[in-house]
Amino acid sequence: DTEVTQTPKHLVMGMTNKKSLKCEQHMGHRAMYWYKQKAKKPPELMFVYSYEKLSINESVPSRFSPECPNSSLLNLHLHALQPEDSALYLCASSQAQGLGLNTEAFFGQGTRLTVV
Amino acid sequence: QKEVEQNSGPLSVPEGAIASLNCTYSDRGSQSFFWYRQYSGKSPELIMSIYSNGDKEDGRFTAQLNKASQYVSLLIRDSQPSDSATYLCAVAHYGGSQGNLIFGKGTKLSVKP
Repeated sequence: DTEVTQTPKHLVMGMTNKKSLKCEQHMGHRAMYWYKQKAKKPPELMFVYSYEKLSINESVPSRFSPECPNSSLLNLHLHALQPEDSALYLCASSQAQGLGLNTEAFFGQGTRLTVV
Repeated sequence: QKEVEQNSGPLSVPEGAIASLNCTYSDRGSQSFFWYRQYSGKSPELIMSIYSNGDKEDGRFTAQLNKASQYVSLLIRDSQPSDSATYLCAVAHYGGSQGNLIFGKGTKLSVKP
């Protein structure tokens, strides 16, 4: 089973709203990732959690706030977003992060976010 | 700047032909290489991973890696219309104890019936 589950699948929010994206995996993976993907572009890394600790923040604006409550869950809290933040937000997980071969990353189905 | 380069395509092949997708990368320290398939509006799906020089076959897919030339490719034999998608090459870069995937811009493949 290589399933990563993201909710919701679609989200429309106003610029003053607060919302959260959720991601869950039960593969025992210890690295979890948030990516942002705009149309016709490759995924761009936002955050990496390794063993529930934030290990990479790719200079993401503070209106995006990640949280990793436990080894199976990853959240992305959204506040005061801009229309240009509209994109497909992808969660991924891998067995480990770092040197070694156990780095295959599996993606969830994504959340299509529209900011109005 | 670590880069992964792919031809954006579109690459058009007839049904039953071999589709050849290519990728080059700039960081000689890269150790892990992946091909993802992404259908329009969907998330990337891992189809192949390769870690050592040479060929790796899985069904109709063959990944080829040449670290000296910093080149990785994906061959799809007996291409089917259902293979029509964007194929993303991804390279894992390791800095210290951390690692993350760097994606190419993807090659759009169209298989014509």
